[in-house]
Amino acid sequence: GAVVSQHPSRVICKSGTSVKIECRSLDFQATTMFWYRQFPKQSLMLMATSNEGSKATYEQGVEKDKFLINHASLTLSTLTVTSAHPEDSSFYICSANRREGPNSPLHFGNGTRLTVT
Amino acid sequence: KQEVTQIPAALSVPEGENLVLNCSFTDSAIYNLQWFRQDPGKGLTSLLLIQSSQREQTSGRLNASLDKSSGRSTLYIAASQPGDSATYLCAVESGGYNKLIFGAGTRLAVHP
Repeated sequence: GAVVSQHPSRVICKSGTSVKIECRSLDFQATTMFWYRQFPKQSLMLMATSNEGSKATYEQGVEKDKFLINHASLTLSTLTVTSAHPEDSSFYICSANRREGPNSPLHFGNGTRLTVT
Repeated sequence: KQEVTQIPAALSVPEGENLVLNCSFTDSAIYNLQWFRQDPGKGLTSLLLIQSSQREQTSGRLNASLDKSSGRSTLYIAASQPGDSATYLCAVESGGYNKLIFGAGTRLAVHP
């Protein structure tokens, strides 16, 4: 069964509103989670690394004030798209690993399809 | 800057064929290379992970090879089935632990 749960799976919102996406590790604790976005027929692009109890690390070109990440517990990270615009419409996916270090298999959520009208 | 390229972008084959999907990366400093499957509108399912010190991994009808020095990997699918239809993504763990750099994927359609 799924080990990483992402909610909601689909959301439609009006331009200017904010949307929160949740990512939960179901049967393990994750000090680090990762947020990706994917445009149609394009690759997944890493947006940021969510660190439990500290600030997220954002990739170059990703606006941290636009995409707020909170990792308040060892099983939950949230991504809030603030003041959403149509160009923010995309597929957002989170991932988490069971243990730290390289070569640790990553588990992905099922993604959230965001449509901003 | 690490870049990952997958060829072909799309592939349509009749059931039963053996397939080869290709992946290349520009920086050989990787921890591992991973192959994923993505169904439309869904998340990713991990298929195979090849550590940088390994040459290949096998799981059922899938076999993945890694040539780190040349920056190439192939995913071999034997006796393809309609249920194999999906997008296959290649990713390298590079530039930091669990930091995956993805290719754009190969969209595979296997028709009966």
